[in-house]
Amino acid sequence: RKEVEQDPGPFNVPEGATVAFNCTYSNSASQSFFWYRQDCRKEPKLLMSVYSSGNEDGRFTAQLNRASQYISLLIRDSKLSDSATYLCVESGAGSYQLTFGKGTKLSVIP
Amino acid sequence: NAGVTQTPKFQVLKTGQSMTLQCAQDMNHEYMSWYRQDPGMGLRLIHYSVGAGITDQGEVPNGYNVSRSTTEDFPLRLLSAAPSQTSVYFCASSYGGGAAFFGQGTRLTVV
Repeated sequence: RKEVEQDPGPFNVPEGATVAFNCTYSNSASQSFFWYRQDCRKEPKLLMSVYSSGNEDGRFTAQLNRASQYISLLIRDSKLSDSATYLCVESGAGSYQLTFGKGTKLSVIP
Repeated sequence: NAGVTQTPKFQVLKTGQSMTLQCAQDMNHEYMSWYRQDPGMGLRLIHYSVGAGITDQGEVPNGYNVSRSTTEDFPLRLLSAAPSQTSVYFCASSYGGGAAFFGQGTRLTVV
């Protein structure tokens, strides 16, 4: 059974801090990886895809380590609006199905 | 710019009642899926479809039926509602291997 594991948190950080989340996956054949953001009582929304070479989008950086089977999300200069639950997601080669982690809750404090 | 549209947003059912949750997408995605989300459980896959006329069971299919007569629509039917089906339901669509896009969710309470 494919598993995606995340630290549920909560991570309570002050505004302006840098915070990092890790996520491990069990399926060595996983090909696609994503980070989603979910606000309370809302639908998950794609934050960013994760590429083998790592990728950056503004204050957000995602990295993939295939050897250790984990992906990470780094948020720099945290804003109050970053408070949400962050979901780690993987998909196997040629598969439509996505496997979601249970999420890591982030609270950014003034 | 509709994306994935789910209806209704809220529903209260009595035990034993049946209902259909509607889901439509306008992105021509071949893959559609239904999830339920419960506190502490994360998103669990109920049923999915890889194209019109093709459906399959996910992790928690019991008590639910689906059909996919068109690429756009993927309704979820609760046959005889039970309190254990109280949950938030999300429909999603995607291209194969790509990121999924979610509807706004249906908050269902079965009393």
